[in-house]
Amino acid sequence: QKEVEQDPGPLSVPEGAIVSLNCTYSNSAFQYFMWYRQYSRKGPELLMYTYSSGNKEDGRFTAQVDKSSKYISLFIRDSQPSDSATYLCAMRPRSSQGGSEKLVFGKGTKLTVNP
Amino acid sequence: DSGVTQTPKHLITATGQRVTLRCSPRSGDLSVYWYQQSLDQGLQFLIQYYNGEERAKGNILERFSAQQFPDLHSELNLSSLELGDSALYFCASSVDRGSGNTIYFGEGSWLTVV
Repeated sequence: QKEVEQDPGPLSVPEGAIVSLNCTYSNSAFQYFMWYRQYSRKGPELLMYTYSSGNKEDGRFTAQVDKSSKYISLFIRDSQPSDSATYLCAMRPRSSQGGSEKLVFGKGTKLTVNP
Repeated sequence: DSGVTQTPKHLITATGQRVTLRCSPRSGDLSVYWYQQSLDQGLQFLIQYYNGEERAKGNILERFSAQQFPDLHSELNLSSLELGDSALYFCASSVDRGSGNTIYFGEGSWLTVV
């Protein structure tokens, strides 16, 4: 079983739709959860960052973490064509100072928002 | 702009050759990470350096090596290149002063081996 599973899609939605992206994971030591957005042939851009369980909201984006189910989600409200990109979940365990902060990534979900 | 600088952006080379990819981390960041991204494998962690020393190793081939210099820039050396090494190579950096930090990626170096 892979440490992080993410449905690669592709996912195609109309403009204005609510988008739900998800990842599951198997390592209970993961404490930090991130969502990156990657446009074609560009570097991943940090979108959301959460620690442990709970919700975090930033504008049209909401990240949810359910550690009991080992399940994280990213919701995009009022989706726009500019949101069309690949969304990667990433996570890592807690590390001490000088320890590795290596992230484990999902394979990414390709999202297209149609005007 | 993440502040992480990678050169070259694009590189085409022949099988059996050797290339060097260069990375300058964000100002103040002590850790540098190298990742490889291919269509079928996604983002794969290769290696991490922290303040000049190797900190963690991932799925890095023996033909590949890296180092971090005193000014904190890093180089990834890829030798005896094979067609399967064609991929996007990303460098990322973080402050790495304890938990709570995250990493920021450069724009990548696109390597094509022909």
